[in-house]
Amino acid sequence: EAGVTQFPSHSVIEKGQTVTLRCDPISGHDNLYWYRRVMGKEIKFLLHFVKESKQDESGMPNNRFLAERTGGTYSTLKVQPAELEDSGVYFCASSQGNWDYNEQFFGPGTRLTVL
Amino acid sequence: QKEVEQNSGPLSVPEGAIASLNCTYSDRVSQSFFWYRQYSGKSPELIMSIYSNGDKEDGRFTAQLNKASQYVSLLIRDSQPSDSATYLCAVIRGQNFVFGPGTRLSVLP
Repeated sequence: EAGVTQFPSHSVIEKGQTVTLRCDPISGHDNLYWYRRVMGKEIKFLLHFVKESKQDESGMPNNRFLAERTGGTYSTLKVQPAELEDSGVYFCASSQGNWDYNEQFFGPGTRLTVL
Repeated sequence: QKEVEQNSGPLSVPEGAIASLNCTYSDRVSQSFFWYRQYSGKSPELIMSIYSNGDKEDGRFTAQLNKASQYVSLLIRDSQPSDSATYLCAVIRGQNFVFGPGTRLSVLP
C-alpha cells in the first residue's frame, strides 16, 4: 500500500512568488492534515480536512495560505505571496476516521526555502 | 508553559543499553498519545500509540502512560545505532496533534 506522498520534495522561490504544494493521502483516508516545521521549532498544526471539508484551519498563519482538497482526494497548499518566514518543511499526514485512535501517517515533507 | 515538553537532548546511550525518553503534557483532557521517530531529513514515522494508563510493549519498545502525572515515556531496550534519531512525542488536541520539540537520541557503537 502506498504511503502519503508529497510534491515537490524541495522548492526554492523568491519572496513574493507563489508556490503550490501537493499531498496525496493514503487511499481511503478521509482525514488529511497539513503541518509545518520551521527551523529550530516543533512541528505545528496548520489545518485538517475531513474529505473535502475544512474541519479545522485554526493553525493557518494568515490569509496568504490557501488549502484545498477538491473531491476529497489529494490536497494542495498554496502560499501567495511567499515571505521569508514561510521557509520550513511542510508535512502532510492522513488518517482514517476514528477520532479516538487517530494514528496519523506522515508524508516525506516538502522543504520550502523562500529567498 | 508549552503544551508538550521534552528534553531536547542529545541523549547518548551505549549500544545495548536502555534508552529512556520522557514527555510531559499540560492538557489534562488529552486521551491519546503517540511516539514518532524522525531520522534527519525524513518524515516522522509512527512507533507507538498509547491510550490507557500503564505500559504497552511492542518489540524493543515500551510506552508508559501516567495520566495523573501527565507523563508519557518511551523505553527502547537493547538500543542499536540505527535507533539514533529524533523522537517526537505527540498529544491529541481535539482531532489534531500537538508535537513536542523532540529528543535527539544517539546510540554509540
